[in-house]
Amino acid sequence: EPEVTQTPSHQVTQMGQEVILRCVPISNHLYFYWYRQILGQKVEFLVSFYNNEISEKSEIFDDQFSVERPDGSNFTLKIRSTKLEDSAMYFCASLSRGANTGELFFGEGSRLTVL
Amino acid sequence: QKEVEQDPGPLSVPEGAIVSLNCTYSNSAFQYFMWYRQYSRKGPELLMYTYSSGNKEDGRFTAQVDKSSKYISLFIRDSQPSDSATYLCAMRETSGSRLTFGEGTQLTVNP
Repeated sequence: EPEVTQTPSHQVTQMGQEVILRCVPISNHLYFYWYRQILGQKVEFLVSFYNNEISEKSEIFDDQFSVERPDGSNFTLKIRSTKLEDSAMYFCASLSRGANTGELFFGEGSRLTVL
Repeated sequence: QKEVEQDPGPLSVPEGAIVSLNCTYSNSAFQYFMWYRQYSRKGPELLMYTYSSGNKEDGRFTAQVDKSSKYISLFIRDSQPSDSATYLCAMRETSGSRLTFGEGTQLTVNP
């Protein structure tokens, strides 16, 4: 069964450092997303990406965040200068062409710990 | 007022019980409703997707939507220990594809 894969599964970093989280979405999917989940809190939308550009972003997705699809398979989330409050589980998700379905496929997540 | 409210539980039931999970929402623009299951330290997995008021059944799972009351439910019949997980409701507006999630309800089914 096709799946969304994410790396690393866990990253520990010092405050102020740059972090790149990587995702390989399902191959025929066209819409890509990042969500995050702070421990004990709800899953929150960060950004959606379609046709090589951001289609929607939340208030959380400030100038410290950026996304990129550097090649035909990877989708990355960069946090330029990490803060303690960026510690969370980051989920990549992808959606097939029929965006009117709810079938968002999530990866297993990348846990980010900022010290 | 939160856009989506979900009782976080925890909810503990014996094997075989019928489980009822619920969410309320305030944004009348939400038209698409989903239930996700999340095992510990894993990504959410889609269980049910509905877009109209009424019931939708899939095996032991029934999703119910009442748009007039802004209330959605997920029923699990004959619950199994393997159903033990956190259940997340999620919803989205007609325009855009961002999902808004509830807090999640932690369910334990005891053998």
